[in-house]
Amino acid sequence: EPEVTQTPSHQVTQMGQEVILRCVPISNHLYFYWYRQILGQKVEFLVSFYNNEISEKSEIFDDQFSVERPDGSNFTLKIRSTKLEDSAMYFCASSDGSARGADTQYFGPGTRLTVL
Amino acid sequence: AQSVTQLDSQVPVFEEAPVELRCNYSSSVSVYLFWYVQYPNQGLQLLLKYLSGSTLVKGINGFEAEFNKSQTSFHLRKPSVHISDTAEYFCAVVLSHGQNFVFGPGTRLSVLP
Repeated sequence: EPEVTQTPSHQVTQMGQEVILRCVPISNHLYFYWYRQILGQKVEFLVSFYNNEISEKSEIFDDQFSVERPDGSNFTLKIRSTKLEDSAMYFCASSDGSARGADTQYFGPGTRLTVL
Repeated sequence: AQSVTQLDSQVPVFEEAPVELRCNYSSSVSVYLFWYVQYPNQGLQLLLKYLSGSTLVKGINGFEAEFNKSQTSFHLRKPSVHISDTAEYFCAVVLSHGQNFVFGPGTRLSVLP
């Protein structure tokens, strides 16, 4: 069964450094998402991406964050200058877009980002 | 804005016992409802979803959930749990015209031998 993959599984970085989290969505999917889960807290929506542009974003997704689909398979989340509070598990998800809000979103296993 | 409440942060239950994980939501517009499960060190996996129609929805692994509009609830149930059901369970809502999920805080189900 096709699945969403994410790399790396764990990323450790120093405060102020840039990080890029990578995701390979399911191949025929059209909508892509990033969520994060701070330890002990709920999963929070960051951004959705469709047709090579951001379609929705939350208040968390400020100017430090950016997303890109650099080629036909990867979907990346960049954090320009990491802060301690960016430490979290970051989940990528994708959906086929056939049913809008009723779409099932398929999630990757997550990347645990630790900012020191 | 929508919100999701899962009142039980942890639910311990013995193997083969029934379990109910509670989910309540608030929204001024119509929503779709989902339950996802997260096994240790894995991503979120869809258990079931309610879009419309019958209020009783059956999902994978023997789970079912009932949508109750008057109580704005979408509780998840299983009549007999297994050790392998030990995981974190997340209830989520999405606006019927929207895209992004709003998740509840999760319920950790621990099945004891």
